[in-house]
Amino acid sequence: EADIYQTPRYLVIGTGKKITLECSQTMGHDKMYWYQQDPGMELHLIHYSYGVNSTEKGDLSSESTVSRIRTEHFPLTLESARPSHTSQYLCASSESSTNGYTFGSGTRLTVV
Amino acid sequence: RKEVEQDPGPFNVPEGATVAFNCTYSNSASQSFFWYRQDCRKEPKLLMSVYSSGNEDGRFTAQLNRASQYISLLIRDSKLSDSATYLCVVNLRRAGGFKTIFGAGTRLFVKA
Repeated sequence: EADIYQTPRYLVIGTGKKITLECSQTMGHDKMYWYQQDPGMELHLIHYSYGVNSTEKGDLSSESTVSRIRTEHFPLTLESARPSHTSQYLCASSESSTNGYTFGSGTRLTVV
Repeated sequence: RKEVEQDPGPFNVPEGATVAFNCTYSNSASQSFFWYRQDCRKEPKLLMSVYSSGNEDGRFTAQLNRASQYISLLIRDSKLSDSATYLCVVNLRRAGGFKTIFGAGTRLFVKA
């Protein structure tokens, strides 16, 4: 059973809409991450957090924002969706920098 | 040059074959190493950590060569279910914490 949950699993939305992708974990991990991945392509880090009230931008420039008000919750928001945002968004968490990641099942976003 | 480079693949092998993947990393400050498996349209899942002494988990053996800066994954007696993309991951120590770098992945197809 998954310890990290993402919702929705699939989302089709119109251009200009505001959306929030949810990610929650029950493992008490301080470190959480958002990755973007297109089919058959590499993972790109877009945001990460090392704890409550701590968020940083990743390597890939993104128009999304994140928040970390609670340890277990790390939502990602797009204020105005565009077709270029169409991708898979993967949330992950880890216990420490020397441990591996646990990924959620992802949200497959399509902006039309 | 990418910080983590993998054999591009795809590797097409018959069931029962032994297959090996290599991954090179450019930064000698890299601290910890992992192999992940990612099935088509699914999230990556941690396959195994890679230790300096090498480690084995059933049909899978991972090795680290710090002098030459590469890690390897050996799969013996390949099964159809081993078909997936294998991601090499390196944790790099840097000021303020760690940076996790995912390789682009090597695709494996095991055929009957």
